[in-house]
Amino acid sequence: NAGVTQTPKFRVLKTGQSMTLLCAQDMNHEYMYWYRQDPGMGLRLIHYSVGEGTTAKGEVPDGYNVSRLKKQNFLLGLESAAPSQTSVYFCASSPGGGRVTEQFFGPGTRLTVL
Amino acid sequence: KQEVTQIPAALSVPEGENLVLNCSFTDSAIYNLQWFRQDPGKGLTSLLLIQSSQREQTSGRLNASLDKSSGRSTLYIAASQPGDSATYLCAVVSGGSNYKLTFGKGTLLTVNP
Repeated sequence: NAGVTQTPKFRVLKTGQSMTLLCAQDMNHEYMYWYRQDPGMGLRLIHYSVGEGTTAKGEVPDGYNVSRLKKQNFLLGLESAAPSQTSVYFCASSPGGGRVTEQFFGPGTRLTVL
Repeated sequence: KQEVTQIPAALSVPEGENLVLNCSFTDSAIYNLQWFRQDPGKGLTSLLLIQSSQREQTSGRLNASLDKSSGRSTLYIAASQPGDSATYLCAVVSGGSNYKLTFGKGTLLTVNP
């Protein structure tokens, strides 16, 4: 049982390049989330999903897109990377029902945009 | 809009000391409150979850209390150890959603041997 895994762990992009971050969970969780963590800002919710095939905007969605084609995977895309998107990105998942608020976090992806 | 504040931002204590970390939130209509631990370069690990109807939760040397009416929570760590050194994050679920977390910026704890 690997829990929540994220690929890649590190990435350096040039301004304008695109990339996709992959999050996978093997706990059969309904809900999945993408956060970004910046110094002095704490963790902020980018997008989330309440089930396969659904996505919704969080607090800071601009510049990002997401897809949840399979229940176990949640993809975060950057179409045209900007230096302001330099951050550590965390994926999380949570069960549905009465345990919906118990979020399990992945190890993070450190992204640098030059 | 819910805002979560954690004081102090950093704390350094000698090994064996009991300590308290503070968390406050502006909107008392919360669903629950959670404390997380984050080690450098790592993800978040959930420590304790307190439902809005509860006053406290305990796990080993950790005790978290919740005073919803005053918008405050404390995390008490007994007999601190160097292995407790990490950033501790407080987060609340509120705003009509039962799953969206609002995080504080964390307290960086250093326990010196």
